Amino acid sequence: AQKVTQAQTEISVVEKEDVTLDCVYETRDTTYYLFWYKQPPSGELVFLIRRNSFDEQNEISGRYSWNFQKSTSSFNFTITASQVVDSAVYFCALRTLYNTDKLIFGTGTRLQVFP
Amino acid sequence: SAVISQKPSRDICQRGTSLTIQCQVDSQVTMMFWYRQQPGQSLTLIATANQGSEATYESGFVIDKFPISRPNLTFSTLTVSNMSPEDSSIYLCSALASDNEQYFGPGTRLTVT
Repeated sequence: AQKVTQAQTEISVVEKEDVTLDCVYETRDTTYYLFWYKQPPSGELVFLIRRNSFDEQNEISGRYSWNFQKSTSSFNFTITASQVVDSAVYFCALRTLYNTDKLIFGTGTRLQVFP
Repeated sequence: SAVISQKPSRDICQRGTSLTIQCQVDSQVTMMFWYRQQPGQSLTLIATANQGSEATYESGFVIDKFPISRPNLTFSTLTVSNMSPEDSSIYLCSALASDNEQYFGPGTRLTVT
């Protein structure tokens, strides 16, 4: 079975706080891809990052960083010094090599950043 | 990357009617997808639309309710047929681009009264 779990339904922080969004995945496939998408209030889905299962190196892009740990099947997303514009719903997703046409989404975490 | 547009961006429809949503990609893509996002929920794949063949539907979705067309490599339509209030959702079109990333359109917000 393939599944993505985002246990945090909603997180509220004050601007400039750091925040981590958790993502735990399940798959029996050895080759897979993990994604994070941002969905602002306007509704469109914005691609943030893709990671493949063979690359456990953490990635940093500006205020965003991702921590991929196969040992715990987690792919967590941290926003440093959060800003009001970061307020959105964030989705973690999984795609396996076996099912390349299916992107399995978690239930999303709504992040509210208050000024 | 791929830029995807959808029409209409939103609509309010009466129960029992049908709505066709159009999706246009700015480049040729092999695979296009249609997702539904019910209010406050995650995204659920409705079907995969491949050019030259019938769409492949996920469990719980049927062609009679959600007919899909894919006439060429840059365009697809999804029709929501015989609508009921339960069909009120955001419908998102997606495409797998040549960089192997999946990009999404802005979505169509459908309200059925």
